[in-house]
Amino acid sequence: ELKVEQNPLFLSMQEGKNYTIYCNYSTTSDRLYWYRQDPGKSLESLFVLLSNGAVKQEGRLMASLDTKARLSTLHITAAVHDLSATYFCAGVYNTDKLIFGTGTRLQVFP
Amino acid sequence: DTAVSQTPKYLVTQMGNDKSIKCEQNLGHDTMYWYKQDSKKFLKIMFSYNNKELIINETVPNRFSPKSPDKAHLNLHINSLELGDSAVYFCASSQVWRGVDTEAFFGQGTRLTVV
Repeated sequence: ELKVEQNPLFLSMQEGKNYTIYCNYSTTSDRLYWYRQDPGKSLESLFVLLSNGAVKQEGRLMASLDTKARLSTLHITAAVHDLSATYFCAGVYNTDKLIFGTGTRLQVFP
Repeated sequence: DTAVSQTPKYLVTQMGNDKSIKCEQNLGHDTMYWYKQDSKKFLKIMFSYNNKELIINETVPNRFSPKSPDKAHLNLHINSLELGDSAVYFCASSQVWRGVDTEAFFGQGTRLTVV
C-alpha cells in the first residue's frame, strides 16, 4: 500500500523568503499531485507531475518529481502572505486510489 | 457551473441518527470518491466508485454506505451516527483512464457535527 509523507507539517516563514516542502512516498506511484487548501475550503489542484524529472511552475511555486528517489518537492520562492494555506501532495496507488500526504500548513508573515 | 457539488455544506445531528450527503459531478468523469478529513486535516479515502461499481472500500465501518444511482452521482449514507464521525467529508471525481491523467476535482466539503 502506498504511504505518503510530507515534511514539515508546519511552516512559518517570512515574506520574501524561499523554502521547500518535501513529499516522500513509499512505493511506485503513477503520478504525483499537489493540492492547496485554504481554511474551511475545498482542495484546489496545483500541479500534476507525470514522469521522472517533471518540473512545473506557477507563479512563486515550483513542483518537481524524482521517481527514483520517490520524492516530490514544492519550492516556494519569495513567499507572500497569499500563499498561506495547507499544501497536500498525493500519489496514486492501483491506478485510481489517490493517497494524500499529511499536509503542510504554511503561514507567511510580514 | 460547479463541477463537483455536495449538499449539505453543514450538517449538525444527534448521535444515533441516520443522515445522507449527496454529491453530483458534471464533468463526465467515470470515477467518484469519498474522503474524510479529520480535525488534524488528515485526508483519508473512504470509497471509490468507477462507473457505478465499488472498487475501493477502505476499512470504514459498515454504517457508512455509498450509493451511486448513476456515474454522475455518489451519495454517502451514514447510519447510527457516532461522535467520532464528526469530520469534513469531501466528494471528488476524476477520469481514470490509462494514458489520460486527470487530477481529482473536489467538492466544497460537508462539515458533519455529531452531538
